[in-house]
Amino acid sequence: GAGVSQSPSNKVTEKGKDVELRCDPISGHTALYWYRQSLGQGLEFLIYFQGNSAPDKSGLPSDRFSAERTGGSVSTLTIQRTQQEDSAVYLCASSLKVTGGEQYFGPGTRLTVT
Amino acid sequence: GESVGLHLPTLSVQEGDNSIINCAYSNSASDYFIWYKQESGKGPQFIIDIRSNMDKRQGQRVTVLLNKTVKHLSLQIAATQPGDSAVYFCAENPYLGSGNTGKLIFGQGTTLQVKP
Repeated sequence: GAGVSQSPSNKVTEKGKDVELRCDPISGHTALYWYRQSLGQGLEFLIYFQGNSAPDKSGLPSDRFSAERTGGSVSTLTIQRTQQEDSAVYLCASSLKVTGGEQYFGPGTRLTVT
Repeated sequence: GESVGLHLPTLSVQEGDNSIINCAYSNSASDYFIWYKQESGKGPQFIIDIRSNMDKRQGQRVTVLLNKTVKHLSLQIAATQPGDSAVYFCAENPYLGSGNTGKLIFGQGTTLQVKP
């Protein structure tokens, strides 16, 4: 079946511009996660959504970062006034179970801020 | 703070040999652990998971061992193949129970290189 999809696959933007990254989770998965992966590093948790519960935003690095999940499905991660340190691969994952369940990852969006 | 670390950044093995990738975690409350494989340009791919009520779990050619006493996790790959070449990440879910969001804390990764 279809896995997690993300768009765009690559995004180059100028410093100071806003960007939107999109994630389509696996149908029926209740939980959705955003992670960030800098070059040669592990994944850093950003934000989590599950149903109508308040999202866990504890990993967002600054107030320039925000995310929403419409209708319990598609999610958009927005970065305002991008900085060069925002350059990374942004990965989305979804899972059927909220806790202790396998998270399925999308291919990621590579963001480059020039 | 919490961290999950890997003992070696790069592991080079001969095709056909067994590989062992190690991971140390710091949160004794962690109850669920996962190993992921990440190939270049792709998202992490699930390999195997284990809960803290187990100390060993086997999959196809892979075995995960969990030692809660020393907070150590390892991934064993039998008869390593060139297709196993990738970066391997361990991850922990540190907050099972009420309010747990299931977020994972990842280690930095170990690069496995398989020599033909």
